[in-house]
Amino acid sequence: AAGVIQSPRHLIKEKRETATLKCYPIPRHDTVYWYQQGPGQDPQFLISFYEKMQSDKGSIPDRFSAQQFSDYHSELNMSSLELGDSALYFCASSPTGTGGPSGANVLTFGAGSRLTVL
Amino acid sequence: GDSVTQMEGPVTLSEEAFLTINCTYTATGYPSLFWYVQYPGEGLQLLLKATKADDKGSNKGFEATYRKETTSFHLEKGSVQVSDSAVYFCALMPSLTDSWGKLQFGAGTQVVVTP
Repeated sequence: AAGVIQSPRHLIKEKRETATLKCYPIPRHDTVYWYQQGPGQDPQFLISFYEKMQSDKGSIPDRFSAQQFSDYHSELNMSSLELGDSALYFCASSPTGTGGPSGANVLTFGAGSRLTVL
Repeated sequence: GDSVTQMEGPVTLSEEAFLTINCTYTATGYPSLFWYVQYPGEGLQLLLKATKADDKGSNKGFEATYRKETTSFHLEKGSVQVSDSAVYFCALMPSLTDSWGKLQFGAGTQVVVTP
């Protein structure tokens, strides 16, 4: 079965540079979520998109921006990189209408993109 | 706000031992509860889930029961293998419609199984 595809898997950047991470959701999944996992930390929600519109926002720095395109893939853009941005960035996707009180909404995560800022 | 607390690791066990990882949560309403596993160098994989009180999630020999009275979702496995060595995350998804998909993770528990 197709999974969530993230690219690149590894990325090394210098401080103050810019980085772009890409996420391709499972086919027919129209909702995408971004999470950041720092070294030894639990994943933290950054931002989510539903039908190409931002649906929720977490602890995402102003230096970061993201969008979802017409083919539902998403890109996370990070500018003025800092050492503290070094982390594993996960993308997850889910299909429409699986949330609600029953909580059937299950996210499928990609393998992650590891960003190292030197 | 919502939060998840799980036992600190690392938890070191011998093969075929019984594993328990405690997880408790604080949330309004009726959240969904999940266990995710992260193998070394890999992404997060859903291990099991429960969406309402008294539900039992199970997969690959692991089990967890959604206990609303104790706000817990402890993970158990009767006989662990070396291949179960990983970091295990307990997580909740709020029941509020504007928070769907916004998982709240616990700090993770590293499990090391030795031969």
